[in-house]
Amino acid sequence: AQSVTQLDSQVPVFEEAPVELRCNYSSSVSVYLFWYVQYPNQGLQLLLKYLSGSTLVKGINGFEAEFNKSQTSFHLRKPSVHISDTAEYFCAVSEVQGAQKLVFGQGTRLTINP
Amino acid sequence: ETGVTQSPTHLIKTRGQQVTLRCSSQSGHNTVSWYQQALGQGPQFIFQYYREEENGRGNFPPRFSGLQFPNYSSELNVNALELDDSALYLCASSSDRVTSPLHFGNGTRLTVT
Repeated sequence: AQSVTQLDSQVPVFEEAPVELRCNYSSSVSVYLFWYVQYPNQGLQLLLKYLSGSTLVKGINGFEAEFNKSQTSFHLRKPSVHISDTAEYFCAVSEVQGAQKLVFGQGTRLTINP
Repeated sequence: ETGVTQSPTHLIKTRGQQVTLRCSSQSGHNTVSWYQQALGQGPQFIFQYYREEENGRGNFPPRFSGLQFPNYSSELNVNALELDDSALYLCASSSDRVTSPLHFGNGTRLTVT
């Protein structure tokens, strides 16, 4: 079984500041890793994913994440945030084998202050 | 390209009743998954359907059941509703079972009173 821990439930930052949202996972098998964003009253939108290859993954809206296998982490970063980045962010994993059954973390609420 | 659409958007039911939620997959997608998102929580996997067959199930009781139709649209049925079933139910479609990105709908907000 897999589990995902998002280390911060809320992250407030000022506009144009950098941000890092932390994610650690636990799994006894190989996994794929994902970050999703959820805007108010909407479904989830994929920001980026790690399947294999380079451990630095670039996604949409200027976000990137780095897969660290030894630390079982997949932290999300953005060098300069905008008001429009205010949303809930979810880290998720799924087993490499079998159905794409995503296991999500609890979410991190990112609030951008002007 | 039409995205994933879910209906209804909001629903209020009484404990013990039954409910059916509907999902239209994105064009060209043959796989649909359902997730339950309780307030303040991350989504939890209910089940996945691939070409009309259940292809994986999460830790939900049998009163949660589903269907996928030949056009790849899907239904989620919940019998004997309980208060804890109150949640946002998300449908997601993809073009394969394993690696393709999930495209989520905006969800159905179910309230059980």
